[in-house]
Amino acid sequence: SYVLTQPPSVSVAPGKTATITCGGDNIGSKSVHWYQQEPGQAPVLVMYFDSDRPSGIPERFSGSNSGNTATLAISRVEAGDEADYYCQVWDNDGARYVFGTGTKVTVL
Amino acid sequence: EVQLVESGGGLVQPGGSLRLSCAASGFTLSSKGMNWVRQAPGKGLEWVSYISSSSSTIYYLDSVEGRFTISRDNAENSVYLQMNSLRAEDTAVYYCARSGMTPRPFDYWGQGTLVTVSS
Repeated sequence: SYVLTQPPSVSVAPGKTATITCGGDNIGSKSVHWYQQEPGQAPVLVMYFDSDRPSGIPERFSGSNSGNTATLAISRVEAGDEADYYCQVWDNDGARYVFGTGTKVTVL
Repeated sequence: EVQLVESGGGLVQPGGSLRLSCAASGFTLSSKGMNWVRQAPGKGLEWVSYISSSSSTIYYLDSVEGRFTISRDNAENSVYLQMNSLRAEDTAVYYCARSGMTPRPFDYWGQGTLVTVSS
């Protein structure tokens, strides 16, 4: 089965850039979506098809995908960016959506 | 405004059944694929099931196949998840989420309904 691996946690100072990775076998051949989940809340889509931002998501959020790693970057990090972040792909071989293990972003 | 509202969660004994509902509004349900996603307490997101706009295509997580059944009633603007033979490991908040055809993302989510499987 297809597995997506994320670092459990990322810490970043305000104003700096947070980089969250999502590793998977040849993930560059798949479309990656990213979700932000604040405590007690439903997830919110923050990036889709690797690098497209939904309306209302700040330009500080950007995405890329190549080889075995997809990346979500958050520049000029703010306290409000503190949340859990999940990557997601559609696994065509397994006929299922797969979520990454999740990364907790902490703003120092 | 797009809204998804889940209901039907609660406490059930192992081996029991529950039916979750997701009421959709603010968009034409018949044009969208729909999903159920769950999150066990303190754990990550886990996709459970997908149903296409016309119900012609359905997918399940391996661990729920044969126990859970997803369905929809576009005329009633609702999506359902019938859960049978429930196990302790099915305990989670269950979210309803809108997508298009696979591999499209989940652009709207409900607030979730808690299912607790315990004796």
